[in-house]
Amino acid sequence: KAGVTQTPRYLIKTRGQQVTLSCSPISGHRSVSWYQQTPGQGLQFLFEYFSETQRNKGNFPGRFSGRQFSNSRSEMNVSTLELGDSALYLCASSSQGAPATEAFFGQGTRLTVV
Amino acid sequence: KNQVEQSPQSLIILEGKNCTLQCNYTVSPFSNLRWYKQDTGRGPVSLTIMTFSENTKSNGRYTATLDADTKQSSLHITASQLSDSASYICVVTNNNAGNMLTFGGGTRLMVKP
Repeated sequence: KAGVTQTPRYLIKTRGQQVTLSCSPISGHRSVSWYQQTPGQGLQFLFEYFSETQRNKGNFPGRFSGRQFSNSRSEMNVSTLELGDSALYLCASSSQGAPATEAFFGQGTRLTVV
Repeated sequence: KNQVEQSPQSLIILEGKNCTLQCNYTVSPFSNLRWYKQDTGRGPVSLTIMTFSENTKSNGRYTATLDADTKQSSLHITASQLSDSASYICVVTNNNAGNMLTFGGGTRLMVKP
């Protein structure tokens, strides 16, 4: 069974640009959550999608948005990039409704904003 | 406010020694507590998951304990190996918040030969 796949693995963007990250969950999983990890703040919850609907949202500005498609794949978009958005972005997939008993993480997308 | 606090922040031990990492949480209502291992630059990998009624759970050389009354958990690593060098993250799920996870700041463990 394939794991959680995130693309791209690495990304370099310029301030003011926008970026789209992709996450393909484990086959059959319907919940996808996104997290931002920085050295100073640790892992912070961005949002969760379940069956194409945003079910939970963390405390991030509106520049951070996401969506989920009918095949459960999810994308995360960050507009008007700032230097502080440089981070490892992780997605996790879970098999069922909430709260799930397990969350499987992808390898992450390392975003660098210059 | 839902919070998860871990201690120590970092730890250095010699190969073959045991160690114990601590986690205190204030997440309520509690659903489950997980310990993850994260190698640098990679996604976290689950070690154990415990619900309210479970006091201990083992996964090889890793043993997690949970005291739901005091809201404390520990992760004990036995006979450490160089490959155990990583960050260990305590994660708590709120029973009312879908799959939103609350993460501790992690303990960075370094195992030296």
